[in-house]
Amino acid sequence: GAVVSQHPSWVICKSGTSVKIECRSLDFQATTMFWYRQFPKQSLMLMATSNEGSKATYEQGVEKDKFLINHASLTLSTLTVTSAHPEDSSFYICSASGYSGGINEQFFGPGTRLTVL
Amino acid sequence: GIQVEQSPPDLILQEGANSTLRCNFSDSVNNLQWFHQNPWGQLINLFYIPSGTKQNGRLSATTVATERYSLLYISSSQTTDSGVYFCAAHRLSGNTPLVFGKGTRLSVIA
Repeated sequence: GAVVSQHPSWVICKSGTSVKIECRSLDFQATTMFWYRQFPKQSLMLMATSNEGSKATYEQGVEKDKFLINHASLTLSTLTVTSAHPEDSSFYICSASGYSGGINEQFFGPGTRLTVL
Repeated sequence: GIQVEQSPPDLILQEGANSTLRCNFSDSVNNLQWFHQNPWGQLINLFYIPSGTKQNGRLSATTVATERYSLLYISSSQTTDSGVYFCAAHRLSGNTPLVFGKGTRLSVIA
């Protein structure tokens, strides 16, 4: 299957700082990537849809000025958590769709665990 | 949007036992996938199965699209099968985000 990477895998930062998370599709091009957030013992919640060359589409309740998304190329999307606060601590996961044989299957990165002190 | 419900929420099995996990969805689907989230958080793709039946080793899955449910079968369970199993779906074609169920937390004990 297709491979999606994320960097960093974990980060600890002080309150008020900004953190950038990278999501890359390693062996396929992804015009669209998705960002999810997962709190402990809960399911994945979609935050935004990242479109190459255009603005991201955010889900209701997600602050677009706080969670900046840039889809700079067909293989890279970044999520920047600006002025992070302890309540932003979570597990952030990206995904990308890969077309193969008429199937549009989603593949997920390994996630980034953010802890804001 | 589509609603995805999974059952049971928790399951404890003795090693070697078989199990069936269920996923109900509220609308017709264009994409349905099963994932296993390992203890480190990585989502492992198990099946892409909007309809029909597939098998991969000890795992198999069946989706009955007309009745809006999917089943994941685990046979001869092993301790390494422990983790959370998610069903996710969407009803549109193309690059549309998956909607996740709440998952089934499986613990396999030796």
